[in-house]
Amino acid sequence: QQQVKQSPQSLIVQKGGISIINCAYENTAFDYFPWYQQFPGKGPALLIAIRPDVSEKKEGRFTISFNKSAKQFSLHIMDSQPGDSATYFCAASVGLGDDKIIFGKGTRLHILP
Amino acid sequence: NAGVTQTPKFQVLKTGQSMTLQCAQDMNHEYMSWYRQDPGMGLRLIHYSVGAGITDQGEVPNGYNVSRSTTEDFPLRLLSAAPSQTSVYFCASSRARGYGYTFGSGTRLTVV
Repeated sequence: QQQVKQSPQSLIVQKGGISIINCAYENTAFDYFPWYQQFPGKGPALLIAIRPDVSEKKEGRFTISFNKSAKQFSLHIMDSQPGDSATYFCAASVGLGDDKIIFGKGTRLHILP
Repeated sequence: NAGVTQTPKFQVLKTGQSMTLQCAQDMNHEYMSWYRQDPGMGLRLIHYSVGAGITDQGEVPNGYNVSRSTTEDFPLRLLSAAPSQTSVYFCASSRARGYGYTFGSGTRLTVV
């Protein structure tokens, strides 16, 4: 079964717009939710992460919103730029464990110039 | 610092051949993992390690072996390559729980 469900699969946003990627999970034991950004030909890189004791975390133009009761979390990219065009993965793990992170299937984001 | 180094970058194998994908990190990270990435499937965990001498299975371990004799190295062995193992393989490391992974640049493997 898919433990972390990510949507949409692909997303096209105008420059300056807001990009929103959503994820849902089933395992209530998950307690660490990172987002990774991947450019073509490169490995994923940690973008931002959140723990369920907070409902929102912001770093620059990137914000994670977390809804524990709905078991959902989302990434918002404000003022989206062409350089943000990449594949984004949400992920989850148990016990702050970086030893076993489960990834969503990814969202391919394209920002139109 | 080189970070996480994976070799080779590209490899073509024939069905039934064996090989080892190398992964080394120079950050003294305790945690290391191997993932495979396939189109539309995201990143799936193959094996992981929480320290030298300790390894465990992930979501898709069949057909792969690992060992962790040192903190720095975490090789992935394909025992008898199959076309279903055609994929991009990523090695990653983390210094501790909750700090996020540093990924290598990947090995693109094709099995014919």
